[in-house]
Parts: sequence; structure tokens; C-alpha cells
Amino acid sequence: DGGITQSPKYLFRKEGQNVTLSCEQNLNHDAMYWYRQDPGQGLRLIYYSQIVNDFQKGDIAEGYSVSREKKESFPLTVTSAQKNPTAFYLCASTGHPGTSAYNEQFFGPGTRLTVL
Amino acid sequence: AQSVAQPEDQVNVAEGNPLTVKCTYSVSGNPYLFWYVQYPNRGLQFLLKYITGDNLVKGSYGFEAEFNKSQTSFHLKKPSALVSDSALYFCAVRDPGSARQLTFGSGTQLTVLP
Repeated sequence: DGGITQSPKYLFRKEGQNVTLSCEQNLNHDAMYWYRQDPGQGLRLIYYSQIVNDFQKGDIAEGYSVSREKKESFPLTVTSAQKNPTAFYLCASTGHPGTSAYNEQFFGPGTRLTVL
Repeated sequence: AQSVAQPEDQVNVAEGNPLTVKCTYSVSGNPYLFWYVQYPNRGLQFLLKYITGDNLVKGSYGFEAEFNKSQTSFHLKKPSALVSDSALYFCAVRDPGSARQLTFGSGTQLTVLP
């Protein structure tokens, strides 16, 4: 089955630790995105990547970092600089321009990060 | 800049009654509009989209939405609500000229009462 997987589903972190959230897709999509979801605030864009080895900051990139070494993978690192990292993190992807998948975002199941 | 407003944080409706979840948008060009649904602790699921063509768009699970350019609205509707429709609904907009893809509203929690 094609889709987006995120791991782990739940993640606990101590203050001062960096932690990496995994996002993998086998949809052959070019673009990938990371969102943060907090109650009552909808989804806020952290980082996005249109192609391999290239990515751009979103609205709330401070305290986060990403890499895009492979088309199918877009891991997100939450660093100790992120002051309030407890949230639900969603990864998404879209397909190549000119395809129907370009106009939709496909979402993974999410990772809930809790800082202890 | 593009933006989306969902003016209602919460919508309650009785099972079997029609439901409407409101969305208004702001975008510089012709908008691409989307509705997604989210169940607790899950990712977002695509419901429907408006790209061009007929203003009334039909989507998954019996949902539909009407694009109204003059009112800059894209309200989600269903003729007869089910308890299983209870979830968090997000409207999203994309400016076709933007590489950043979707901007989401803050979400509306729909509760269908039995």
C-alpha cells in the first residue's frame, strides 16, 4: 500500500534533549511538509521541501531542523532551542506538478511529542 | 498572502439534520480550496477540493461544498448528519502561484448528537 508513515506514534523527551521524528513516503511525491498542531490553532507550517537536498523554512521554523537526503524521507529534529515542543506533529506530501496529486496534500498519522 | 477563516470553533447538530461548517478565504488569485477531516490522534483525511469548474463540489462520505467567489466562501455541507461525522474539520486554501501550498484554518469541531 502506498502512503506516508511517521514514527514513533508517541515520543517523550526530557528538557534539553534533541529528538528526531521520522517521516517516510512511498508515493513517489516530490514535495514534503512538516506541520505542528496545537489545540485551537490549526496546522502551522514548520519546514517544507520541494526537491531532494533543498528545503525552506515555514512560519515557525525556530528550534527545528530538517534534512532531505532522499526523496522518500524527510526527518524533523526538534532541538533543545524549541521552547515549547509539546505538540502533535504531522508530515505531508504532494505529487509532481501536472498530476492530480500536486493539488492535494497527503498526511501521515502523526507523532505526539511530549516534553517531560 | 493567503488566509483562511473558520469562524466557528464548535458546531453541534442533531443526527439526521443537515450540517454546515463555514469557511471564508483570502487569496490574491483564483483559489484552490480544500476540506480535510481529522479524527482524534490521527492525521488529516482529504474530503474534497475545488480547483475549477462547477461551484458545487461533491466529496467523500456524502459531504459537499459550494464555492462562492463573491462571498469568498467555501462552506462544507451534508444533508443528513451521522454521529460518525463527529470530528475536527479543516478548510485550506492554496494560491496556485505559491510554492508553499496550503494554508489551513484553525479548525471546527463538529459534534453530531444522537
